[in-house]
Amino acid sequence: AQSVTQLDSQVPVFEEAPVELRCNYSSSVSVYLFWYVQYPNQGLQLLLKYLSGSTLVKGINGFEAEFNKSQTSFHLRKPSVHISDTAEYFCAVSDRGGSYIPTFGRGTSLIVHP
Amino acid sequence: NAGVMQNPRHLVRRRGQEARLRCSPMKGHSHVYWYRQLPEEGLKFMVYLQKENIIDESGMPKERFSAEFPKEGPSILRIQQVVRGDSAAYFCASSPATSPSNEQFFGPGTRLTVL
Repeated sequence: AQSVTQLDSQVPVFEEAPVELRCNYSSSVSVYLFWYVQYPNQGLQLLLKYLSGSTLVKGINGFEAEFNKSQTSFHLRKPSVHISDTAEYFCAVSDRGGSYIPTFGRGTSLIVHP
Repeated sequence: NAGVMQNPRHLVRRRGQEARLRCSPMKGHSHVYWYRQLPEEGLKFMVYLQKENIIDESGMPKERFSAEFPKEGPSILRIQQVVRGDSAAYFCASSPATSPSNEQFFGPGTRLTVL
């Protein structure tokens, strides 16, 4: 079984500032890791995913995330945010061993102020 | 190529009524997943279906909830005798195959309000 902890429920930031959304996971086996974004009144869209290889993963809209196995983290970052990045962000993990159902964190609400 | 479609987008029911939520997966996708999202919570898995088969319903409440994915037509999540606690956003996702690394494609959700 695995679990996902998103340490911040809300992150306010000013436009053009950098941002980091934190995600930690626990699992007894190797995992795949995902970040999804949910805009108001919409479904989730995949931002990026880590499957294997380079621990720095680049996604859409200028986001990137770094897999840190020793710290069991997969933090999401963007060097300069826009108003349009205001949304809910979900970290998710799935078990490489075969469980096809990802476990989602509770989400972090990113609020970008002008 | 249309994405995952869900309807209705908003559904209002009185306590005791039935709610039917529909999901049409992306073209070519034969795997459907239903999730429930409560305010300020993440997505909770409910059920995973393939055509005409329920593969995993470990997240479904034991009573009042059922799901199907017939050979023809959309997947249906049915909630009988709704209660206020059923008020939530229900999301459907689809994928072309089953793999832990597969991306799931999400629909826009159905927001159920029980009065």
